[in-house]
Order: sequence, then C-alpha cells, then structure tokens
Amino acid sequence: EAGVTQFPSHSVIEKGQTVTLRCDPISGHDNLYWYRRVMGKEIKFLLHFVKESKQDESGMPNNRFLAERTGGTYSTLKVQPAELEDSGVYFCASSRTRNYGYTFGSGTRLTVV
Amino acid sequence: ELKVEQNPLFLSMQEGKNYTIYCNYSTTSDRLYWYRQDPGKSLESLFVLLSNGAVKQEGRLMASLDTKARLSTLHITAAVHDLSATYFCAVDIRDSGNTPLVFGKGTRLSVIA
Repeated sequence: EAGVTQFPSHSVIEKGQTVTLRCDPISGHDNLYWYRRVMGKEIKFLLHFVKESKQDESGMPNNRFLAERTGGTYSTLKVQPAELEDSGVYFCASSRTRNYGYTFGSGTRLTVV
Repeated sequence: ELKVEQNPLFLSMQEGKNYTIYCNYSTTSDRLYWYRQDPGKSLESLFVLLSNGAVKQEGRLMASLDTKARLSTLHITAAVHDLSATYFCAVDIRDSGNTPLVFGKGTRLSVIA
C-alpha cells in the first residue's frame, strides 16, 4: 500500500506569510495525526483527527494554526501568519482504528525567515 | 505531564561494537514504540512493545520493555555503518490504541569504521 505522503517536503517563507502543509494518509486509515519537531527538541503532538472530526487538538500551539480534514481523507495544516518559532519539521501519521501501529510521512521542513 | 527521556542523545560507536540506548518514561503505559529516522525520511517503525517483559529482535537490534521500571532499551549488537540514523522511542499518552504519542528527543547514532 502507498505510504503517508506529505508535501511540500520543504518550504521557506517570510515571517508574516501564510503556509499550508498537506498530508495524504494511507487509504482506509481513519486516524490522522500531526506532529512537529523544532530543532533539537522532541517530536511534539499537535492534533488528532478521527475521520473528519478533531479528536484532540490539545497540542496546537496557538490560533495561528488551523487544521482541517474535509471528507475524512487528506488533511491540511495552515499557519497564518507564520512566526520564526514555527520553523521545524512537521510530521503527519495515520493509523487504523483499534490498531497500535502508526505510519509516518517523511515530513515537511518549514523554515520561517 | 508524561515525559520520555532518552539517553544518550548522541552516540558514536565503532563498527563491531555493542551498545544500548535507554528510554525512561513517566507514565504507567504498557505500550512503547521504537522508530528509526534517516535524514529527510519518514519515521520507520522498528518495534512495538505491548507488555511488560516484551522482547523483540530484528537483525542487530533488540528492544525490551520493563513496565515496572518504566524503562525500555534498544540494544545494538556488532554495529554496522548502515545502522547510522536517529532512533526515537515513544509512548502512548493514554493506555489505549490510537492515541497521540509522546516522543523522546532521539538518539543520533553514528557508526564509524
């Protein structure tokens, strides 16, 4: 089966601009997660979708971040306006219900200058 | 707040040598994951440990879980260059499947000739 796909793989934007990251999970995976790794720090959870519903968004840093998963397929994560501290690698993962395995995408490296 | 601590964070080892990476966590979760990441690539699942005393082996890597000590180890036997990568351990936030993961900071392993 195809893996979790993320794009773009890299994005460099100026402070104040908007960026949208996209994640295509494995087909049939109801659960979709966003994580972020800031340089030198842990990979931190941002939010969890079950189908199109937000199950847990406790990790979202502030209201500049907006995640959607319309139709329960792919998901987007928009950062508006971007700040310097938003730089990092954003990972997406998906899993089936009642399964302990998560499949990760290769991440989007976001650099805000 | 659940914390996951890995050590060492950096490890340079000679080919043919053995070493262990440690992962301590602060929750009662019985589920622990080990991932490998090569630069610019996905987080690749290595092991899922689901119960106390679980031991899994794949090639030169062996992982174990002691839920009473809240400790997991990843043992590397007779290291080869191909094992150079960053290794992460992660724990479920809640004691059930399909929940967000809390990650350690990762151990960057470099195997040298």
